[in-house]
Amino acid sequence: EVQLVQSGAEVKKPGESLKISCKGSGYSFTSYWIGWVRQMPGKGLEWMGIIYPGDSDTRYSPSFQGQVTISADKSISTAYLQWSSLKASDTAMYYCASQGSGSYYDAFDIWGQGTMVTVSS
Amino acid sequence: EIVLTQSPGTLSLSPGERATLSCRASQSVSSSYLAWYQQKPGQAPRLLIYGASSRATGIPDRFSGSGSGTDFTLTISRLEPEDFAVYYCQQYGSSPFTFGGGTKVEIK
Repeated sequence: EVQLVQSGAEVKKPGESLKISCKGSGYSFTSYWIGWVRQMPGKGLEWMGIIYPGDSDTRYSPSFQGQVTISADKSISTAYLQWSSLKASDTAMYYCASQGSGSYYDAFDIWGQGTMVTVSS
Repeated sequence: EIVLTQSPGTLSLSPGERATLSCRASQSVSSSYLAWYQQKPGQAPRLLIYGASSRATGIPDRFSGSGSGTDFTLTISRLEPEDFAVYYCQQYGSSPFTFGGGTKVEIK
């Protein structure tokens, strides 16, 4: 079964660092772009960026460039989203999702279950 | 950046009725790289339509997509109880691959 399994919910304080994960299985992890999508409480979906695990080619939305880092470890079929200094406004559900083909231009057809990140003092 | 505007914000309909959701882009979406997703409360989004009009695997044929350029439509021919949810469009022809703000389809 093709699936993406994300790490569990996190509660952090402002200024702390965080790295959440997304592990792929059931398919060739290195051959498909994986993206990250933010959903703030009660709000819509926001595209943050994507990475091609095969060569770590990474593209960011200008809204998130410099605010987060997307990476991948192809040896363990896992993508990551990390923050060096969290803010309260980073409180959201974060989804990873895999694009449907090896093409850069494709929709997200497989989604992780989401990781809730809560940042509060 | 391409801005996607979805309308209406909320659609109140009864089971069995037809739903028509609109997604308008601020610039032409290249090669009709437009997708539609369904999201239910507490769940991850699910891909319904890609390439503006192709149904994803396992999606019932009551869901259909159409359009090109800057105007796209998702139609649900006859609403089933499980179709009441929020629907998002996304363009993936120009980075960043933006989402629309969503349309909530609620039970009237």
